[in-house]
Amino acid sequence: DTGVSQDPRHKITKRGQNVTFRCDPISEHNRLYWYRQTLGQGPEFLTYFQNEAQLEKSRLLSDRFSAERPKGSFSTLEIQRTEQGDSAMYLCASSLGFSNQPQHFGDGTRLSIL
Amino acid sequence: EDQVTQSPEALRLQEGESSSLNCSYTVSGLRGLFWYRQDPGKGPEFLFTLYSAGEEKEKERLKATLTKKESFLHITAPKPEDSATYLCAVQAGNDYKLSFGAGTTVTVRA
Repeated sequence: DTGVSQDPRHKITKRGQNVTFRCDPISEHNRLYWYRQTLGQGPEFLTYFQNEAQLEKSRLLSDRFSAERPKGSFSTLEIQRTEQGDSAMYLCASSLGFSNQPQHFGDGTRLSIL
Repeated sequence: EDQVTQSPEALRLQEGESSSLNCSYTVSGLRGLFWYRQDPGKGPEFLFTLYSAGEEKEKERLKATLTKKESFLHITAPKPEDSATYLCAVQAGNDYKLSFGAGTTVTVRA
């Protein structure tokens, strides 16, 4: 089953360090999304790509966050100078490029800031 | 701004005790309402998409319905394996992003 794959599953780091997460979408999906989820809440949208183009970014995505999707395949999400408030589950999802297509999620990267 | 409210926050059921979860939404131009199931430590798993008022979808013991203001997820004769958090999300206007509710955590006791 080639679902959405995220790496690493868990990341523990000290405040102020940089971290990078990777997402491999379902192969035929040209849309890729990043969300953040904290305990007891639903996922919150961060950004999305259609192929290699980043088309929308949430106000939640501060200057310390950057996402890329080179060649329209896998994507990376980097957080620079991590803060305590960055502790969360970072979820990646992908979908086909047609209207109203469901987004399929990976199992996320859980980030813990010491 | 899109608003999605789910109730109740938590639901404890006896095996076989049917119940319903509510998802109320306020959006401009609904394009789709999505239900997901999320197990602890996992990502959301897609269940249903509903597009217009009056639409219904079924899968095993789950049935989702949609009106102009809310959606219900009915769980018929639940089993312990139906224990999970159920998330509702909307897609509206020209957006492709999903706006999620906080979820309903369902616990089914044998």
